[in-house]
Amino acid sequence: GAGVSQSPSNKVTEKGKDVELRCDPISGHTALYWYRQSLGQGLEFLIYFQGNSAPDKSGLPSDRFSAERTGGSVSTLTIQRTQQEDSAVYLCASSFSMSSYNEQFFGPGTRLTVL
Amino acid sequence: GQQVMQIPQYQHVQEGEDFTTYCNSSTTLSNIQWYKQRPGGHPVFLIQLVKSGEVKKQKRLTFQFGEAKKNSSLHITATQTTDVGTYFCAGSSGTYKYIFGTGTRLKVLA
Repeated sequence: GAGVSQSPSNKVTEKGKDVELRCDPISGHTALYWYRQSLGQGLEFLIYFQGNSAPDKSGLPSDRFSAERTGGSVSTLTIQRTQQEDSAVYLCASSFSMSSYNEQFFGPGTRLTVL
Repeated sequence: GQQVMQIPQYQHVQEGEDFTTYCNSSTTLSNIQWYKQRPGGHPVFLIQLVKSGEVKKQKRLTFQFGEAKKNSSLHITATQTTDVGTYFCAGSSGTYKYIFGTGTRLKVLA
């Protein structure tokens, strides 16, 4: 079956522009996570969704970051007025449910470069 | 807030040598997961530990969860070049949220 997919795989943008990153989770997975991974670093939790709801947005680095999920499936992460420090790989993961006992399946990530 | 540290940050070993990475949480965990990320790839789930003192094995990999459920380790016996990558632990306090460790990057020299 299809895994988690993300698009675009690479995005180069100029400082100050807005970008939208997309995640298609595994069909039937109700939980969806966004992480950020800077070069050679660990994974920084950004936000999670249970269905279309995002109960905890505290991981978002600033109010320039927002995310939504529609139809309990596709999610988009939007970064407004991008800054150079936003450059990183943005990873999406999905799991069967919100239970902490479910493994997360990661997508290939979107590499964002802000010039 | 909760923090998860991993040591070492880097490890270079000769093929055939053993390798161990350690994970320490600032708070008691309900469970811990381990992931492997190959160079240029994305994290892939390896295993989950739930019980205090639990030990699980996968071929040459041995995973342990501490008695206090605040630390964990991954040991690889007789490393192979296919073991190259970064190993992450990820701890949960029983909620949706996983805090990932800083990762240990393993290089295996043939």
